Amino acid sequence: NAGVTQTPKFRILKIGQSMTLQCTQDMNHNYMYWYRQDPGMGLKLIYYSVGAGITDKGEVPNGYNVSRSTTEDFPLRLELAAPSQTSVYFCASSHRDGLGEQYFGPGTRLTVT
Amino acid sequence: AQKVTQAQTEISVVEKEDVTLDCVYETRDTTYYLFWYKQPPSGELVFLIRRNSFDEQNEISGRYSWNFQKSTSSFNFTITASQVVDSAVYFCALSEVGNQFYFGTGTSLTVIP
Repeated sequence: NAGVTQTPKFRILKIGQSMTLQCTQDMNHNYMYWYRQDPGMGLKLIYYSVGAGITDKGEVPNGYNVSRSTTEDFPLRLELAAPSQTSVYFCASSHRDGLGEQYFGPGTRLTVT
Repeated sequence: AQKVTQAQTEISVVEKEDVTLDCVYETRDTTYYLFWYKQPPSGELVFLIRRNSFDEQNEISGRYSWNFQKSTSSFNFTITASQVVDSAVYFCALSEVGNQFYFGTGTSLTVIP
């Protein structure tokens, strides 16, 4: 099993550009999450999904969109990138009802200039 | 208000010393889970432990132990006989019903050889 994979590893965006961060898991987990981690801070939940076709907002959803068309994939879309979105983005998945252990991807480091 | 507070931003200890990382949480739910994750310098997040709100038994796993006290809303983590490989940022996290996860800001532990 590859676990949770994220692409790209690094990306530099100009203000106003858009991009999609990819996340794929091969563990057949229903629950998937997107977090951002700002320097020296903990992780903040952006969006989560409890299964294909179902998504919901976390603590900091503004400026982001998600979709979940398959169990495996949970892409995160940034529209009109802003410097405040410079962060490290982590995708995670869980096999249980959201209260279980989360398996994290390696992260995507995004810089918006 | 912070849901999860890790008051210790940085801790340095000499190898073989014991160290305790503090975590205080806030929730109105009666059912919730608490977690500890380790983030080594390589950046990935590694699950260490999950505890549900109904189980206040302390847990020991090798050199690691956890003390959960609902009366003080604390879930502290102790590393016994610390080693250089324990150097990392440690995050405490709270999960409430409804799939909302909250991470603390982390404690950076440096173990000096």
